Parts: sequence; structure tokens; C-alpha cells
Amino acid sequence: DAGITQSPRHKVTETGTPVTLRCHQTENHRYMYWYRQDPGHGLRLIHYSYGVKDTDKGEVSDGYSVSRSKTEDFLLTLESATSSQTSVYFCAISGTRGETQYFGPGTRLLVL
Amino acid sequence: QQQVKQSPQSLIVQKGGIPIINCAYENTAFDYFPWYQQFPGKGPALLIAIRPDVSEKKEGRFTISFNKSAKQFSLHIMDSQPGDSATYFCAASKNQGGKLIFGQGTELSVKP
Repeated sequence: DAGITQSPRHKVTETGTPVTLRCHQTENHRYMYWYRQDPGHGLRLIHYSYGVKDTDKGEVSDGYSVSRSKTEDFLLTLESATSSQTSVYFCAISGTRGETQYFGPGTRLLVL
Repeated sequence: QQQVKQSPQSLIVQKGGIPIINCAYENTAFDYFPWYQQFPGKGPALLIAIRPDVSEKKEGRFTISFNKSAKQFSLHIMDSQPGDSATYFCAASKNQGGKLIFGQGTELSVKP
């Protein structure tokens, strides 16, 4: 998985609680991305980062925030988890915008 | 609005067959078209990618055919093997990479 780890790998939480997912890379890549994967929707971009403290929204950003204080870490926060945010979350990295995106192993999140 | 439409949702072929997965896109600004392969419990991995200046690209048993005028592209897997059984996603982006828009995915099963 190209030097990408995600934590936790599995999480069960309750509606209304905040949740933070972590993506850690050892490749020193500039670009990092958060996607969610749902049946029938493929993968959809939530947020991405093009450098430390530089982030932007993707196509499904409502209810999510991100932070990147170090090159190697990209955090995704669900401010108040809802059942519609039950999904598998993938982090991806790339060295430049036009390069291959390498995906992490995913985090399976269940919001009850 | 689904900007990249992928079909079929699922596909079953016999070993040695040639499965074909099709994708259609709407945004003529897209200029990078990758295909990703995903095995259960793993993150997607880049299989092959094409840019619109060529009509076909081959890498081993995998071929992308691209029809710019029809805004369609497809993945062909020659001499398919049971180990090719996976979910395949097409994707598209503009400005030569970055924010990928994924198709819905095709679950391929290759029977021995």
C-alpha cells in the first residue's frame, strides 16, 4: 500500500459523536486525498490537500473537515457523525497532481 | 449528477474470455482516464491509464480503448484468469490529474 497507513481500520460509533480518521504516509508526497466508497457510487472525493495547511473541498465535503499540519499526516474529522456517513474511507497520495494516486487500506466506519 | 457512468455493474466470464467494461463521460475537459483494480478488503490500485491524444493503450493483458468523439472509453482484459476477479473502476480528471471522478464500479468474476 505504498507506505500509507490508515487508523483506525475499523470503527463503530454513535450518531452525533465526533470521529477522526488518520492517514499517515512515509513517501513525502505532496498531495493527499480522502475518498469514501459506497455501493453503487464508486469512490467520491471528500477533501484533498496540496500541501501543509493547504486543503480544498471535493464533491461530498458536507459534514467533514480536514487538517494537515505535517506533510505525512492528513486527518479527516466527522464533526457530528450521522448514519449516512457509514462507509469505507480511503486515503490516497500522489507526488504531483498528474501522477498516480496510491490508496491506503481503508477504514470501515459504522455509525449507529 | 454522475459525470462518469460505468457498465455493467457485474460481469461473469469463463477463464480465457475477454471481459469488456465500458465508461462514458460528460465533461469534455477531462484529460486523464485511469482504471483501478480493487480486491476485497484492499484499496484500489492503478491498473492502466490513458490520455485523450491516443486511441488505445496496452499493458500486458489489459487494453484501454478510447473514443474521444463518443466520450467513451473501455477496458479489455485478454485471456482473463481467475486471479483477475476483482472490482474495476474507471475514473476521469481534468488538468492532467488531481481530483478523480470515479465510475460506479464493475464486479468481475472469472470462472475457472
